Amino acid sequence: GAVVSQHPSWVICKSGTSVKIECRSLDFQATTMFWYRQFPKQSLMLMATSNEGSKATYEQGVEKDKFLINHASLTLSTLTVTSAHPEDSSFYICSANDRDRGYEQYFGPGTRLTVT
Amino acid sequence: QKEVEQDPGPLSVPEGAIVSLNCTYSNSAFQYFMWYRQYSRKGPELLMYTYSSGNKEDGRFTAQVDKSSKYISLFIRDSQPSDSATYLCAMRNSGGSYIPTFGRGTSLIVHP
Repeated sequence: GAVVSQHPSWVICKSGTSVKIECRSLDFQATTMFWYRQFPKQSLMLMATSNEGSKATYEQGVEKDKFLINHASLTLSTLTVTSAHPEDSSFYICSANDRDRGYEQYFGPGTRLTVT
Repeated sequence: QKEVEQDPGPLSVPEGAIVSLNCTYSNSAFQYFMWYRQYSRKGPELLMYTYSSGNKEDGRFTAQVDKSSKYISLFIRDSQPSDSATYLCAMRNSGGSYIPTFGRGTSLIVHP
């Protein structure tokens, strides 16, 4: 149980285009979903937190107009990287927690974004 | 000083060795302590979850929490090459936003 999926797992896009990443909790309803960014050999950097039907809460320094988060249902959240630039290339990971499972975070497999 | 300190390694051990991974922290309000395993280019996987002080065992893995020293450990017995991964510690308060603070991870290499 507690499976989180992400799609796509890998994407290459051209500079200036937008990319959407989906995160789904497959076997539970997520109380909250989280989006992280991870650079090579670095820890997870929390970008934003979102609850279903609410606006996302962004961490300091994260541009909310560039990283659009939509939390449409208790099982789906999307991250859209708008007007992508090469410096946005990174590994993006979502996670979800569940009140019934003690609020621990369960992570998706990650999406590797490369902007050329 | 970071809230959670974790040596990035790499830690290289022979197959069958006992591995000890550690984190220290500064926030005495942390009550929940987790260990995640992350393989290269994958998302972290929750391995162990402990509340407050004490030990917890699950197969070859043992998690220890010493709140008086603000020190947590993960022990891996009979380590296998398949254990080669990055291990991240994480911890959080009770209640609030339920968002954990992560260590930067320790890279473990178990060679045959």
